Amino acid sequence: EPEVTQTPSHQVTQMGQEVILRCVPISNHLYFYWYRQILGQKVEFLVSFYNNEISEKSEIFDDQFSVERPDGSNFTLKIRSTKLEDSAMYFCASNVRGWDGYTFGSGTRLTVV
Amino acid sequence: GDSVTQMEGPVTLSEEAFLTINCTYTATGYPSLFWYVQYPGEGLQLLLKATKADDKGSNKGFEATYRKETTSFHLEKGSVQVSDSAVYFCALSDKGNAGNMLTFGGGTRLMVKP
Repeated sequence: EPEVTQTPSHQVTQMGQEVILRCVPISNHLYFYWYRQILGQKVEFLVSFYNNEISEKSEIFDDQFSVERPDGSNFTLKIRSTKLEDSAMYFCASNVRGWDGYTFGSGTRLTVV
Repeated sequence: GDSVTQMEGPVTLSEEAFLTINCTYTATGYPSLFWYVQYPGEGLQLLLKATKADDKGSNKGFEATYRKETTSFHLEKGSVQVSDSAVYFCALSDKGNAGNMLTFGGGTRLMVKP
């Protein structure tokens, strides 16, 4: 069964450093997403991406965050200058039709120290 | 805006007990409804879904019926197993939402004891 692949599975970074989280969505999917889950809390939407542009973003997704689809397969989330409160599990997801059939990756646990 | 409310956990059951996890929603459009499961240390896995009113989603003995009149999508299983211990998330995707994002409930932790 096709999978969404995320790397790395765990990243530790110092406060103020830039991090890039990587995702390879399912190949025929058109819509891509990032979500995050702070430990023990709700899964929160960050951003959706379609046709090479952001279609929606949440209040969490401020100027420190950016997304990119640098080639035909990768979808990245960059945090420019990490804060302690950015520590969370970050999930990538993708789907074909935009409102159905979301497939999530297994997540990247980001720890900011 | 859209929202999903789930019963708070943890829910602790003995093996073979009947499970209900309540989920209600608020949406401005015509949402699709989902249950996701998160096993310890793992990501989110789609458990079941329903895309329109009165649809019943089912998978692995779990089922949930999309009730538009009560805006509910309660998860049920007739006989739980220890391996069902996980966190269960109810979620919706509103087709009228340009961003197509999922809105999640807070999650309900299920603990099944042998």
